[in-house]
Parts: sequence; structure tokens; C-alpha cells
Amino acid sequence: AQSVTQLGSHVSVSEGALVLLRCNYSSSVPPYLFWYVQYPNQGLQLLLKYTTGATLVKGINGFEAEFKKSETSFHLTKPSAHMSDAAEYFCAVSDYQGAQKLVFGQGTRLTINP
Amino acid sequence: SQTIHQWPATLVQPVGSPLSLECTVEGTSNPNLYWYRQAAGRGLQLLFYSVGIGQISSEVPQNLSASRPQDRQFILSSKKLLLSDSGFYLCAWKTGASTDTQYFGPGTRLTVL
Repeated sequence: AQSVTQLGSHVSVSEGALVLLRCNYSSSVPPYLFWYVQYPNQGLQLLLKYTTGATLVKGINGFEAEFKKSETSFHLTKPSAHMSDAAEYFCAVSDYQGAQKLVFGQGTRLTINP
Repeated sequence: SQTIHQWPATLVQPVGSPLSLECTVEGTSNPNLYWYRQAAGRGLQLLFYSVGIGQISSEVPQNLSASRPQDRQFILSSKKLLLSDSGFYLCAWKTGASTDTQYFGPGTRLTVL
């Protein structure tokens, strides 16, 4: 069975500082990995995804993530935080077969301090 | 372009009442469809998914059910709501291609009193 662990339910950074949200996964098959962002009372929006190929993935809004198979990690980073980045972030894993169901982490709430 | 709709946006229901939440997708055919629930302080839990009309798979035993009467319509139902059914319900779709993304609807906030 697949699982995702997001380290830190709450992360707080200053505006302009580095954002690092941690995600570790467990999967018995090559995983597909995703980061989604959720603003209050809204659906989820895809930030980026890794399926195959280049392990450093660039997404929207200046975010990127690196798939590290040896560490079973897919951490999300952004060099300089903006106030508009305040939201909840979810890491998810799916396999490449069947219905490609997503298994989500518990989420990390990102707060940006002015 | 593809669009996913959910309604209602907000719903307040008494315990023991029935429930019907609807999700429709436009601009694609034969999508995979998913229902997730996000309870307060918890992550997203997959409830049901469907890879075709009339094909429903349940992930979690509960008093909810799902149906797919049309290709792009996915309905979540309950005959008698429980307090524990409160939460934010999200519908999602994707194509059958394995590398494709799941796209989420705007969600329905359900409060059971």
C-alpha cells in the first residue's frame, strides 16, 4: 500500500525567505508524485507533478520539487516566499496502473509573516 | 477546455436526513471520476471512484454511496446522514492516461447538525 508523510502540519516563514515543505512517500511500485495547493474553501490546484524523466520538476508560482528515490522524498521548495503563498499544501502519490487513485499526506499549512 | 462543477456549494442538513451531491464534468469523455472527503483537521480521504458508467468502487465502508448515471455525472448520496459525515467533499476527474493529472472541483461544504 502507498502512503505519504508530510513533516510539519504548520510551517511559518518570513516573506522573501526560502519555503521548504517536506514529503516522504512509501510505494511498492514506481510512484507518480504530486503537490497540490488549497486556498480556504476552495478545491485543490496542481502545483507540479513527477511521473517519469527529469527528477527536478518545476511548477507554477515559482515552486519546484525534486524526486529522490534513494530518500523516498519529494520536497517542495520556493526560493522566496510571497504573501500569496499562504495556503495548505498537500503531497500525494499514485501508481501508474488501474484507476490511479491519489493517496494524500495530511497537509502542511504555510503561513507567511510580513 | 474541461470544467468540473459541484453543487451545492454549501449544505446544512439535520442528522438522519438524506443527501445528494452532484458533480459534472464538461469538455471530456469517459473520464475517471473520484469523490474525496476532507474532514476538519484531517487530510483528504478517497471515498469512491469510477472508471466508467455504472462502475463504482468504494474505498471506505460507510453510510455513503455513489452512482454514475451518465458518462460525466457522479453523484454522492446517503439515506441517513450522521454527524461524522460533516466535511468538505471534493470531486475530481482525470483522463485514463496514467500520467495525467487529477483535476478537482470547487467542493461542497456539508455541515450535519
